[in-house]
Amino acid sequence: DAGITQSPRYKITETGRQVTLMCHQTWSHSYMFWYRQDLGHGLRLIYYSAAADITDKGEVPDGYVVSRSKTENFPLTLESATRSQTSVYFCASGQGNTIYFGEGSWLTVV
Amino acid sequence: GQQLNQSPQSMFIQEGEDVSMNCTSSSIFNTWLWYKQDPGEGPVLLIALYKAGELTSNGRLTAQFGITRKDSFLNISASIPSDVGIYFCAGQPSNTGKLIFGQGTTLQVKP
Repeated sequence: DAGITQSPRYKITETGRQVTLMCHQTWSHSYMFWYRQDLGHGLRLIYYSAAADITDKGEVPDGYVVSRSKTENFPLTLESATRSQTSVYFCASGQGNTIYFGEGSWLTVV
Repeated sequence: GQQLNQSPQSMFIQEGEDVSMNCTSSSIFNTWLWYKQDPGEGPVLLIALYKAGELTSNGRLTAQFGITRKDSFLNISASIPSDVGIYFCAGQPSNTGKLIFGQGTTLQVKP
């Protein structure tokens, strides 16, 4: 029972590089989300998706791109990474009113 | 935008004591969720509340959905060392699936 998995779990990249964080869920949940967690800011929503091919911006979408060609996958791409995007990224999925989180991806931009 | 105020920000208690934390909002929510996050892990869902006035328990945890739909509280009875972590409230303002999170309550339990 894999649930929701994120990869990579840990990544160090250089400023200006493109980085993609993967998220995969096995529940066939309609909704999927990307949050970032930073000290002093809690969890902030970057993007979310209500279904395949439907995505929408959250609180902090600038500098990020998402896609959802399949229900089970929701990759998050940083097209040109900046140091301010150093953070812990959490993917989540949900159906109805309940949302479950992955274990997180620690990204450091140097 | 909508904000949740979660308090207290941190608590340091003795093992065996009861704990209470709460969240308030300036707007109405349809759902309240409580999560716990251990170091290096993602938030884990503890309790979900779907109706105003609802009181739900999960072991030593009890949570309530406020009558006004603008607040919720979480109680932990007889705390133990493994209760240590960060507790987040989250509110869902509509059926979009989006969650708004509180800033978290850091709980430390002294054996």
